[in-house]
Amino acid sequence: SQQGEEDPQALSIQEGENATMNCSYKTSINNLQWYRQNSGRGLVHLILIRSNEREKHSGRLRVTLDTSKKSSSLLITASRAADTASYFCATDAQGSNDYKLSFGAGTTVTVRA
Amino acid sequence: DAGVIQSPRHEVTEMGQEVTLRCKPISGHDYLFWYRQTMMRGLELLIYFNNNVPIDDSGMPEDRFSAKMPNASFSTLKIQPSEPRDSAVYFCASSPWTGGGSGANVLTFGAGSRLTVL
Repeated sequence: SQQGEEDPQALSIQEGENATMNCSYKTSINNLQWYRQNSGRGLVHLILIRSNEREKHSGRLRVTLDTSKKSSSLLITASRAADTASYFCATDAQGSNDYKLSFGAGTTVTVRA
Repeated sequence: DAGVIQSPRHEVTEMGQEVTLRCKPISGHDYLFWYRQTMMRGLELLIYFNNNVPIDDSGMPEDRFSAKMPNASFSTLKIQPSEPRDSAVYFCASSPWTGGGSGANVLTFGAGSRLTVL
């Protein structure tokens, strides 16, 4: 079952603009991750944020986490055509030794040149 | 490291045939996961292994599906007999041991095996 739900389902932006997508989840977590999937490829890990962190940066990526609202956002700044992909959030289950990750349905981002 | 290697990349078969998908995880990774991706259901975890032992197969849809990991460098996912609704992209992913509690599980995915059952 899908723990995370991304919003919006699809996003189209101009090159150079910022892209923001959100993820909401249902149960408490240890960590939340974001992955990218280019068309016809496997998922690639982008960034991980722990439940005791509120914000994290990696290059042009900025992730926030609000555990009180059970939500996270991924911001891609100064987007490029190469950022065109689907983006997924993935969560685990807090306090468990269960190593399963549940993925959301994803946000498809199209960056127009 | 060459990453997670999956084969075949594409498979087209007829209903009722046996399908075997293969995966070579990254050397040293203790966990191996099989996921299935479809437009309707998204990414579903089918089964995962720790040190070659199946830990949770609750996502395996039916008895027609089986998975094995005979050693640390090889896993198979078998569907017998296959049905058209099994058409999907099947991903294998591996991750290193990170400890319990608040440890994190960062997955490296293979390129996937696209299965079409006619």
